[in-house]
Amino acid sequence: DAKTTQPPSMDCAEGRAANLPCNHSTISGNEYVYWYRQIHSQGPQYIIHGLKNNETNEMASLIITEDRKSSTLILPHATLRDTAVYYCIVRPDLWGGGADGLTFGKGTHLIIQP
Amino acid sequence: NAGVTQTPKFRVLKTGQSMTLLCAQDMNHEYMYWYRQDPGMGLRLIHYSVGEGTTAKGEVPDGYNVSRLKKQNFLLGLESAAPSQTSVYFCASDGGRGRSPLHFGNGTRLTVT
Repeated sequence: DAKTTQPPSMDCAEGRAANLPCNHSTISGNEYVYWYRQIHSQGPQYIIHGLKNNETNEMASLIITEDRKSSTLILPHATLRDTAVYYCIVRPDLWGGGADGLTFGKGTHLIIQP
Repeated sequence: NAGVTQTPKFRVLKTGQSMTLLCAQDMNHEYMYWYRQDPGMGLRLIHYSVGEGTTAKGEVPDGYNVSRLKKQNFLLGLESAAPSQTSVYFCASDGGRGRSPLHFGNGTRLTVT
């Protein structure tokens, strides 16, 4: 079972910030939060990940709450090309950790409106 | 770098036929994975490998076999295809630590009639 909970769908106006929430209330101390997205039927694309601190890269920002039980992915200026399914997963930092944290739920279908 | 390459991109099989899907990665990754994705669903892990010569079952392994004879290749086999195996299959690889992101191929769309 996926260890994360996401809303099934969200809308956002083009040019505005898209804020996608993820709940991971059972996260362990050594688990990273990862975000991926899938456009149409392409392979999922890595966006960003973090452990405790907030992270930012050229694609997005990741805000993790202090208790680490939830996080928010922020796309600062959404474009039509950001319409996709966004997946949040948690994965332990273990060499040889096997398949833990490799379950993708249904994600959030983000629709950017013109 | 090509990243993760899957072949073929499309395939149609008749029930009972067999086939092998090939996944190749050029990133020297230790871990490789096979997923399937059905319409409106997330990705479900079929099998995975933590290194050359090793394989392990994922969430939905029945009806599939895998082999990892070379570090860069991970093969998914269907010995006797069934209509329930109609799906899009994705291969992925990573460095094997939680801090290493998954890299996905662009998928193989398989239809079993």
